[in-house]
Amino acid sequence: NFMLTQPHSVSESPGRTITISCTRSSGSIANNYVQWYQQRPGSSPTTVIYEDDQRPSGVPDRFSGSIDSSSNSASLTISGLRTEDEADYYCQSYDSSTNWVFGGGTKLTVL
Amino acid sequence: QVQLQESGPGLVKPSQTLSLTCTVSGGSISSGDFYWSWIRQPPGKGLDWIGYIYHSGSTYYNPSLKSRLTISKDTSNNQFSLKLSSVTAADTAVYYCARAIVGVIDYWGQGTLVTVSS
Repeated sequence: NFMLTQPHSVSESPGRTITISCTRSSGSIANNYVQWYQQRPGSSPTTVIYEDDQRPSGVPDRFSGSIDSSSNSASLTISGLRTEDEADYYCQSYDSSTNWVFGGGTKLTVL
Repeated sequence: QVQLQESGPGLVKPSQTLSLTCTVSGGSISSGDFYWSWIRQPPGKGLDWIGYIYHSGSTYYNPSLKSRLTISKDTSNNQFSLKLSSVTAADTAVYYCARAIVGVIDYWGQGTLVTVSS
């Protein structure tokens, strides 16, 4: 099976742009879709990006997703940061055997 | 609007079996191309996939838990369940049930904390 590696924490000021990476350890990042979930303290996760770059209805277009085959990674970019974006973010994908894998999570601090 | 609600004991003794049920409202677990899933989160840590049951009844388990895990469904009550045997303190976590389409989770339960302790 493979692993998804995320930075433990990132921080940025309100109004700025941040990018969180998610690197797949083996197999191509392009083989299976990547999702991103936001989890605020004390709450269940919610989907902010699915199928690499799709935004569910209700998620602001400040959130965007992409994949980069050269670095075998996915990225979540949040522009125009707001204090309400402060949360943990998890990437998730799956393998050909339909096993799911979550990244370790990234704590976003909006200073 | 689909809603999921976990229920079960909040405290389980070591070596015993952890049992949780997820009650689904706003949609049938027998219809649609959905994966009815369990995910857990140890205190202060990240999300771990436990497994899921497909609408057809097929099950898929995290290989690390497979020997101790059973996921089943009760279509008459629109519920699905988790049983994890021989638990240890490492199984202490918030347990979430969720609905997914292929590998994409679209609805989550609120989660329930299960503590393994004597």
